[in-house]
Amino acid sequence: NAGVTQTPKFQVLKTGQSMTLQCAQDMNHEYMSWYRQDPGMGLRLIHYSVGAGITDQGEVPNGYNVSRSTTEDFPLRLLSAAPSQTSVYFCASSLGGYNEQFFGPGTRLTVL
Amino acid sequence: DQQVKQNSPSLSVQEGRISILNCDYTNSMFDYFLWYKKYPAEGPTFLISISSIKDKNEDGRFTVFLNKSAKHLSLHIVPSQPGDSAVYFCAAYTASKLTFGTGTRLQVTL
Repeated sequence: NAGVTQTPKFQVLKTGQSMTLQCAQDMNHEYMSWYRQDPGMGLRLIHYSVGAGITDQGEVPNGYNVSRSTTEDFPLRLLSAAPSQTSVYFCASSLGGYNEQFFGPGTRLTVL
Repeated sequence: DQQVKQNSPSLSVQEGRISILNCDYTNSMFDYFLWYKKYPAEGPTFLISISSIKDKNEDGRFTVFLNKSAKHLSLHIVPSQPGDSAVYFCAAYTASKLTFGTGTRLQVTL
């Protein structure tokens, strides 16, 4: 099993550009989530999904969109990138929200 | 409003001694607590968890204690090993959401 995979590993964007961060898992987990990690802030929940077709907002959802058309994939879209979105982004999956979450290796995003 | 707080940004412990990492929370609705460990340039990995109906959970060298009246939990690592050097995050769960603390960097010295 590959576990949770994220692409790309690194990305540099200009302000105003859009992009999609990809996340996939092969463990048949129902729960998937996106976090961002900033210095001194820990991990903050952006969006989460409890199953295919169901998504909801986390703590810091502004500027991001998600969709969950399949159990395996949970892409995160930046609509119009801003320097404040410079961060490390982690995708995670689990059987349920309170179960052990398996994290991907992260995407380091820089917005200039 | 930080609902989960780790007030010690860093901790240094000698190899073989006990490491105690602390975490405080404010939301009494949290019903599950978890600890994660993170190495640089990697995603966090799960260590141990505890339900709010328990006050202790043990897994090998790792023990988590929960004091609900004080809204406090702690992670004990005994004995500490150099490979334990990492950033440790506590996290709390309620209503389908996991809230993380800001992390404590543990350094285990020889």
